[in-house]
Amino acid sequence: QKEVEQNSGPLSVPEGAIASLNCTYSDRVSQSFFWYRQYSGKSPELIMSIYSNGDKEDGRFTAQLNKASQYVSLLIRDSQPSDSATYLCAVRGGSQGNLIFGKGTKLSVKP
Amino acid sequence: ETGVTQTPRHLVMGMTNKKSLKCEQHLGHNAMYWYKQSAKKPLELMFVYNFKEQTENNSVPSRFSPECPNSSHLFLHLHTLQPEDSALYLCASSQAKGTSRYNEQFFGPGTRLTVL
Repeated sequence: QKEVEQNSGPLSVPEGAIASLNCTYSDRVSQSFFWYRQYSGKSPELIMSIYSNGDKEDGRFTAQLNKASQYVSLLIRDSQPSDSATYLCAVRGGSQGNLIFGKGTKLSVKP
Repeated sequence: ETGVTQTPRHLVMGMTNKKSLKCEQHLGHNAMYWYKQSAKKPLELMFVYNFKEQTENNSVPSRFSPECPNSSHLFLHLHTLQPEDSALYLCASSQAKGTSRYNEQFFGPGTRLTVL
């Protein structure tokens, strides 16, 4: 059973701090990794995708991938209250490349 | 707006009713998906369609019946549901295989389903 694990949180950080969200996955041959943000009562919104080892930066967001450790993370710099949401990690797995989602980490950014 | 629309946004139905959920994508994608999202559980993939062909049925009960008449439209037909089927049903779409953005999935707003 392929799995994606995330700490459910809540993760609470003060405004302006760096929020660090972590995700591990079990399928060693996974190739594509995604972070989605989901506000309460809304659908998931794709915010980052990463395919190679290392860091990928987009604005205040940095995704980090370490395939050897089967670990992917999302850093949010200068966290804002509007970043308060649940962050879903998704990993491409299966013969058709379908996504497997973690349960999500709830982030709370306190003003 | 992600370019994926779903109707209705909210649905309340009895266990003996028949209803349908509709999804439409305006992104030119070739793959469409149905997911179920219940409280405290990860997103569960239900069905996958690639180029209108169903390629995956994730052991979904037969009371859920998908239909994909073309690559832009996807339906989920519901009948004799159970209260435990109450959940958020999400439609997503993605670009076909062979492109660099394969499997970047974009979600619609979802249908909040309540089964009484």
